[in-house]
Amino acid sequence: GQNIDQPTEMTATEGAIVQINCTYQTSGFNGLFWYQQHAGEAPTFLSYNVLDGLEEKGRFSSFLSRSKGYSYLLLKELQMKDSASYLCALRNSGNTPLVFGKGTRLSVIA
Amino acid sequence: DTGVSQNPRHKITKRGQNVTFRCDPISEHNRLYWYRQTLGQGPEFLTYFQNEAQLEKSRLLSDRFSAERPKGSFSTLEIQRTEQGDSAMYLCASSDLGQGHSPLHFGNGTRLTVT
Repeated sequence: GQNIDQPTEMTATEGAIVQINCTYQTSGFNGLFWYQQHAGEAPTFLSYNVLDGLEEKGRFSSFLSRSKGYSYLLLKELQMKDSASYLCALRNSGNTPLVFGKGTRLSVIA
Repeated sequence: DTGVSQNPRHKITKRGQNVTFRCDPISEHNRLYWYRQTLGQGPEFLTYFQNEAQLEKSRLLSDRFSAERPKGSFSTLEIQRTEQGDSAMYLCASSDLGQGHSPLHFGNGTRLTVT
């Protein structure tokens, strides 16, 4: 099975940088995904890592270390609209369904 | 591409009643997933299909729950004899049959309230 841990809540200031961590234990690994979910809305795909290292997409970057069972999502130049839950999810083999963490609720304040 | 569509958006029912939800995936996607999400939690996997074949059901899925995808296009999720604990957001997602990097694309969900 899998176990995924994320902080429950974080608060950061508009314009700042925030790092949301995700640690996991899994018997198999075929990718780690990050999703953003605004309250009452569907999760939307942000990023995917399968190899160690950093993937950058505009203001958002995601990092993976498979040996440490660790990933983070980095958000730069925070905007108020970034206030949302951020979900870390694992795929343990092939193209199997994703297993999600409980999510980190990020509040961006002025 | 109109995205994943779910109906209804909201459903209020009395305990003991049956409910059925519908999901229309992105048209070219072979895989369709059902998840359930409660407040403050991440989506919890229920079941998924590849075309019309149901490939996996979560051990957490009670036998009151059944899902179908008869023609490999839309899917329905039925809950029989609803209980208050079934109150949740039911999310449908689809993906293509590509490699492991294929993300899931979610619909806006059906929010079920059992009174």
